Amino acid sequence: DAKTTQPPSMDCAEGRAANLPCNHSTISGNEYVYWYRQIHSQGPQYIIHGLKNNETNEMASLIITEDRKSSTLILPHATLRDTAVYYCISSGSSNTGKLIFGQGTTLQVKP
Amino acid sequence: GAGVSQSPSNKVTEKGKDVELRCDPISGHTALYWYRQSLGQGLEFLIYFQGNSAPDKSGLPSDRFSAERTGGSVSTLTIQRTQQEDSAVYLCASSLVGTAGKNIQYFGAGTRLSVL
Repeated sequence: DAKTTQPPSMDCAEGRAANLPCNHSTISGNEYVYWYRQIHSQGPQYIIHGLKNNETNEMASLIITEDRKSSTLILPHATLRDTAVYYCISSGSSNTGKLIFGQGTTLQVKP
Repeated sequence: GAGVSQSPSNKVTEKGKDVELRCDPISGHTALYWYRQSLGQGLEFLIYFQGNSAPDKSGLPSDRFSAERTGGSVSTLTIQRTQQEDSAVYLCASSLVGTAGKNIQYFGAGTRLSVL
């Protein structure tokens, strides 16, 4: 399974875009990239996922590089409620869909 | 619609006692997962159910841990002879399909287990 690497922490000003990077240089062709976040004392929340193409939904955008070795999650207008730990996860070679969480990036949105 | 429901939300027990944690997945979701999150640690996978079968139990830390799922719905995680190192938040997730692609998992709020 592909290992993902994320910076341990980032700050972002409220109202600005938050760009969270993730490296997954060993990802294979059929592995998806998933992003989840965990707000303090809550269960993880799905944000977005992608395979090759960039994706956008009501929460965020996902930009995947052409070689698929890295991706960036973009929260276009961060709010204080976006303060959370963000996890970048590859779907892995397993056919069970289990998620292998790393340490994630703690995003602190500041007023 | 209802999300994933877990009970109890908090459980305090004494070392050596058995505990049961319950998970009610989203209706119609065939895949169910258990994870745990220890203080200061990341989330670790415990077990995966597809229907009532558990094809992947690789994350269960010891034979004191077991889980079952009945009727393709409710699941129970049982920890026997609890130890202090079992203290953690136990999270349950469900998804429509349990395959590697397009597998969006919805998590419950978790059960916080404290072993004294």
